[in-house]
Amino acid sequence: EAQVTQNPRYLITVTGKKLTVTCSQNMNHEYMSWYRQDPGLGLRQIYYSMNVEVTDKGDVPEGYKVSRKEKRNFPLILESPSPNQTSLYFCASTPLGRTYEQYFGPGTRLTVT
Amino acid sequence: QKEVEQDPGPLSVPEGAIVSLNCTYSNSAFQYFMWYRQYSRKGPELLMYTYSSGNKEDGRFTAQVDKSSKYISLFIRDSQPSDSATYLCAMSDDFNKFYFGSGTKLNVKP
Repeated sequence: EAQVTQNPRYLITVTGKKLTVTCSQNMNHEYMSWYRQDPGLGLRQIYYSMNVEVTDKGDVPEGYKVSRKEKRNFPLILESPSPNQTSLYFCASTPLGRTYEQYFGPGTRLTVT
Repeated sequence: QKEVEQDPGPLSVPEGAIVSLNCTYSNSAFQYFMWYRQYSRKGPELLMYTYSSGNKEDGRFTAQVDKSSKYISLFIRDSQPSDSATYLCAMSDDFNKFYFGSGTKLNVKP
């Protein structure tokens, strides 16, 4: 089954404790992206990647890191999480040239206390 | 000022009604316009995509873009309870960076 998977789905952590949210897709898509969704603010793009080793900042990259060492994986790294990073995070992927049709993962609900 | 503005609703309509959802934007460079639907506890899924100005129809759904007014709309005809969801507009100027509205929650009552 074609899909985007994210792990973990739920995470409660404390301020300053490094964490990684994994994202994997099995559709051989070139383009992958991370978003956070907050009430009243909608989806905001954090980082995107057009292919292996090619990443760029979205609208709200501060406090986040990403890497794209393999085509299928695009992990999101929070080196020192803070409470304002409490949010619902979505990973998405799509073939290059069809980036309007992004396939979203199921979401990761992160709480930072 | 936010790049994309969208009325959060909620919007409640009876089954069979015509629904109009709208977004306004400030960046005149946007030329790719999308509507996504998001069910509760799920990721968004693409409904419609439009390039530049004009209308596009797909079944019960019609997307309209008016670039002169920086205004886009999604119309749903013969609305069904299964259409109850949050509808997100999204825009891009380069197909790499995307800007989403905050979403309008729609409830279609049987």
